[in-house]
Amino acid sequence: QVQLQESGPGLIKPSETLSLTCTVSGGSISRYYWSWIRQPPGKGLEWIGFIYYNGDTNYNPSLKSRVTISVDASKNQFSLKLTSVTAADTAVYYCARDPHGLDVWGQGTTVTVSS
Amino acid sequence: EIVLTQSPGTLSLSPGERATLSCRASQSVSSNYLAWYQQKPGQAPRLLIYGASNRATGLPDRFTGSGSGTDFTLTISSLEPEDFAVYYCQQYGGSPFTFGPGTKVDVK
Repeated sequence: QVQLQESGPGLIKPSETLSLTCTVSGGSISRYYWSWIRQPPGKGLEWIGFIYYNGDTNYNPSLKSRVTISVDASKNQFSLKLTSVTAADTAVYYCARDPHGLDVWGQGTTVTVSS
Repeated sequence: EIVLTQSPGTLSLSPGERATLSCRASQSVSSNYLAWYQQKPGQAPRLLIYGASNRATGLPDRFTGSGSGTDFTLTISSLEPEDFAVYYCQQYGGSPFTFGPGTKVDVK
């Protein structure tokens, strides 16, 4: 069955760019929407945005000026970049498949923003 | 932006009891694109219900989603020990997709 795995640095400094990759295994990245969601420590879920396999994107306006989501179908991966991070961006970051609701999730990766 | 409000914030029940969780939207959710998720500590959320009332693959039938427009409900007919968790609703009918703040179902 389809599995997702997030990867990227666990610790970054304020003002730097957060870069994460989600690798899709057990299935093709084609034909679906793929999302990023985050969860600050002890808090609820925040939708960051999604990308369609053809590259169409939709971002949360609250993050839109700092977010880029891209896809590399040849590698069955999609990626998240978040610029100018602050401590408020500290969270568990999840990638998920989005056909109709988020039906397959990665295990999540913790990103801490600290100097 | 559609704001989702979940109630109650915490629901304290015993195994075998019925749980009724509410999710109210600040405006009508297009096409009833409303999902419910379960999250246990240290785990990713798990999709339970999509399209307001459709069970995800393999979901036990003790979970039922209902509602339309602005008012949605997740019902767990008889709580099993593994059902004690936090439950989130999410609307994906209009951008930005938004989540509710969650309802924690804990053991009474």
